[in-house]
Amino acid sequence: NAGVTQTPKFQVLKTGQSMTLQCAQDMNHEYMSWYRQDPGMGLRLIHYSVGAGITDQGEVPNGYNVSRSTTEDFPLRLLSAAPSQTSVYFCASSYRWDRGYEQYFGPGTRLTVT
Amino acid sequence: SQQGEEDPQALSIQEGENATMNCSYKTSINNLQWYRQNSGRGLVHLILIRSNEREKHSGRLRVTLDTSKKSSSLLITASRAADTASYFCATDVRGQGAQKLVFGQGTRLTINP
Repeated sequence: NAGVTQTPKFQVLKTGQSMTLQCAQDMNHEYMSWYRQDPGMGLRLIHYSVGAGITDQGEVPNGYNVSRSTTEDFPLRLLSAAPSQTSVYFCASSYRWDRGYEQYFGPGTRLTVT
Repeated sequence: SQQGEEDPQALSIQEGENATMNCSYKTSINNLQWYRQNSGRGLVHLILIRSNEREKHSGRLRVTLDTSKKSSSLLITASRAADTASYFCATDVRGQGAQKLVFGQGTRLTINP
């Protein structure tokens, strides 16, 4: 299994540009989520999904959209990039949520917005 | 937000010594998890302890949970250089309907050879 994969690894955007961060998992996990990590801080939840067709907002959803059309994929869209969105983005997945399963993390995407 | 707080923020010890990190949280939880992050990498799950458990072991790791004090500790025994990383606690918040893990800011552990 490849686990959780994220593309791209690095990205530089200009203010106002849009882009999609890709996330895929091959473990048939129901639950997927996106976090951002800023220097000296823990991870903050952006959006999450408990299954295909179901998404919900986390702590910091503004400026981001998600969709979950398949079990495997959970892309994160930046609608109009701002310098405040400069961060490292992590995608994670787990089997179920309600039974407290561990989360598997991707390697991250480092995004810089100028 | 109901964020876990790790203490200390940074810890530097000699190889072979034990390392202890603490985590405090604010609300009732279903479980608490510890993760490790090597520099520039994603997080790796270490151990999960449920709210009805008090202690759990995994290899050189020992985790305790005191729900009355809303705190947890992670002990790494006989530390190795490869243990150098940041360690995060994450709480699975109970009854919020939000289905999320809330992460603390982490403890940066350095093992000196």
